[in-house]
Amino acid sequence: KAGVTQTPRYLIKTRGQQVTLSCSPISGHRSVSWYQQTPGQGLQFLFEYFSETQRNKGNFPGRFSGRQFSNSRSEMNVSTLELGDSALYLCASSRTGGGTEAFFGQGTRLTVV
Amino acid sequence: AQKVTQAQTEISVVEKEDVTLDCVYETRDTTYYLFWYKQPPSGELVFLIRRNSFDEQNEISGRYSWNFQKSTSSFNFTITASQVVDSAVYFCALSEAWGTALIFGKGTTLSVSS
Repeated sequence: KAGVTQTPRYLIKTRGQQVTLSCSPISGHRSVSWYQQTPGQGLQFLFEYFSETQRNKGNFPGRFSGRQFSNSRSEMNVSTLELGDSALYLCASSRTGGGTEAFFGQGTRLTVV
Repeated sequence: AQKVTQAQTEISVVEKEDVTLDCVYETRDTTYYLFWYKQPPSGELVFLIRRNSFDEQNEISGRYSWNFQKSTSSFNFTITASQVVDSAVYFCALSEAWGTALIFGKGTTLSVSS
């Protein structure tokens, strides 16, 4: 059974640019969540999508957005990148969310220079 | 508000030692879920266990065991006879019953030397 796939694995962007990250969940999983991991703040919840609808959103500025497609694949976008956006972005896949087991991808390491 | 505290930032042990990772949580909900994840250097968070708030039975899986105590709001994780491959960052996490966000602790870095 294929796991959660995140692409790309590594990205280097310049301040002010925008970036799109992709996540393909485990087959049959309809919930996709995104997390940001930094040394200072740890793991923080960005948002969660279920059946193409955003169900929950963390405390991040509007520059962070996402969407989910009918095949449950999800993308997150960060516009007007700042140095502080440098982080490991992790995607989690679960059947329905809401306390069910969440399985994570290997993440996308974003560096903003 | 929900909160997870992992007071131990780093732990170093020698192979074959037993080690316990502490996790204390705060929530006003009566129904919630607790998780442990392992993050090796590759970065991927590996799911270890999920426990709901109504199930206080301790669990053992091989060298791993978990002690859930609602009275002290703790969900501690013990590795018996640790191995070098156990070296990783371990995260405890909490979610509400119908919540869709995992609230993570800051993590405990475990280093096991041979």
